[in-house]
Amino acid sequence: AQKVTQAQTEISVVEKEDVTLDCVYETRDTTYYLFWYKQPPSGELVFLIRRNSFDEQNEISGRYSWNFQKSTSSFNFTITASQVVDSAVYFCALSGPYNQGGKLIFGQGTELSVKP
Amino acid sequence: DVKVTQSSRYLVKRTGEKVFLECVQDMDHENMFWYRQDPGLGLRLIYFSYDVKMKEKGDIPEGYSVSREKKERFSLILESASTNQTSMYLCASSLSLAGGPLDTQYFGPGTRLTVL
Repeated sequence: AQKVTQAQTEISVVEKEDVTLDCVYETRDTTYYLFWYKQPPSGELVFLIRRNSFDEQNEISGRYSWNFQKSTSSFNFTITASQVVDSAVYFCALSGPYNQGGKLIFGQGTELSVKP
Repeated sequence: DVKVTQSSRYLVKRTGEKVFLECVQDMDHENMFWYRQDPGLGLRLIYFSYDVKMKEKGDIPEGYSVSREKKERFSLILESASTNQTSMYLCASSLSLAGGPLDTQYFGPGTRLTVL
């Protein structure tokens, strides 16, 4: 069965601190996809990144970076020099091959609070 | 930009009422999804549709039905609302289920439903 675990329910940091959000997944598929979404207080989930299981290269986008390690089944998300606008709930998600209908399995979410 | 809209941000209904939640996307996406979001549980898939008039059950379809008469519109129906259906409901759409970048799901702002 597929499963995504975000063990950190809530994280609170002070502005300009770096913060890492953990994501651990379980799947028996050899082809799978990992996602991160951000949900600000407005409620809408905003797509941040998509990774396929064959691409273990880390990715950096501005202050955001992602560390994908198949050996530990983890896909962690780091925000460098956090800002108040980063305050949101962040979800990690997993989907299988296309024949599973593109279903996303979500983690429980991590609520990040960045204080000024 | 992908635009997914939902008919209401907040909705209050009484037990036993029939409830319709509407979702519209403007990007000619093939696939549409309904999730519910509850604290500590993340998002869970209720139903999805990969074509007009086609539907597939997700992980928690009990107590819900859906309708997709037009490509851009996907409705979630609570035939007889109950208090345990109080939740945030999120709609999403994606262009493809093929397992490539086109299968990324884009979300609407959500409808917070309260059943009294």
